[in-house]
Amino acid sequence: NAGVTQTPKFQVLKTGQSMTLQCAQDMNHEYMSWYRQDPGMGLRLIHYSVGAGITDQGEVPNGYNVSRSTTEDFPLRLLSAAPSQTSVYFCASRPPGAGFNFTQYFGPGTRLTVL
Amino acid sequence: AQKVTQAQTEISVVEKEDVTLDCVYETRDTTYYLFWYKQPPSGELVFLIRRNSFDEQNEISGRYSWNFQKSTSSFNFTITASQVVDSAVYFCALSEGSDSWGKLQFGAGTQVVVTP
Repeated sequence: NAGVTQTPKFQVLKTGQSMTLQCAQDMNHEYMSWYRQDPGMGLRLIHYSVGAGITDQGEVPNGYNVSRSTTEDFPLRLLSAAPSQTSVYFCASRPPGAGFNFTQYFGPGTRLTVL
Repeated sequence: AQKVTQAQTEISVVEKEDVTLDCVYETRDTTYYLFWYKQPPSGELVFLIRRNSFDEQNEISGRYSWNFQKSTSSFNFTITASQVVDSAVYFCALSEGSDSWGKLQFGAGTQVVVTP
């Protein structure tokens, strides 16, 4: 199993450009999510999904869109990039259910810079 | 409000010293889960441990140990005989049982620097 994969690893955008961060997992996890990591703030939840066709907003959803057409993929779209979106983005997944299954597994991250 | 507090921003130690990372959490739920993740300089997040609120046993895994105390809402992490490879940012996180999705709420992280 490759686990959770993310592409690209690095990206530089100009203000106003759009792009999609890709996330895929091969563990058949129904739950997937996107977090952003900023210095001194830990990780904050952007959007999450509990299965194909079902998404919801997290703590900091503004400026980001998501969709979930398959169990494996959960792309994150920036429609019009802003310097405030400069961050490291992590995708995570976990199996459904509570308890033991609350453990989330993270991808390697995408470092995004918006100029 | 911040639900997970890691008061130590950075800790510097010399190799072979012990280092303890503090984590204080806040929740009204009786069922909850606490986690520690390690982020080495390469940037990935590595899961270290999960502890549920009903299990207050301390746990040891090699040079790592965790002290969970519900009375003080703390879940501290100790690295014994630190090594240079332990240099990383360590995050404590909380999932509340009332949140069926299990969202992780992270502390700000503690940077550990181990010098030879």
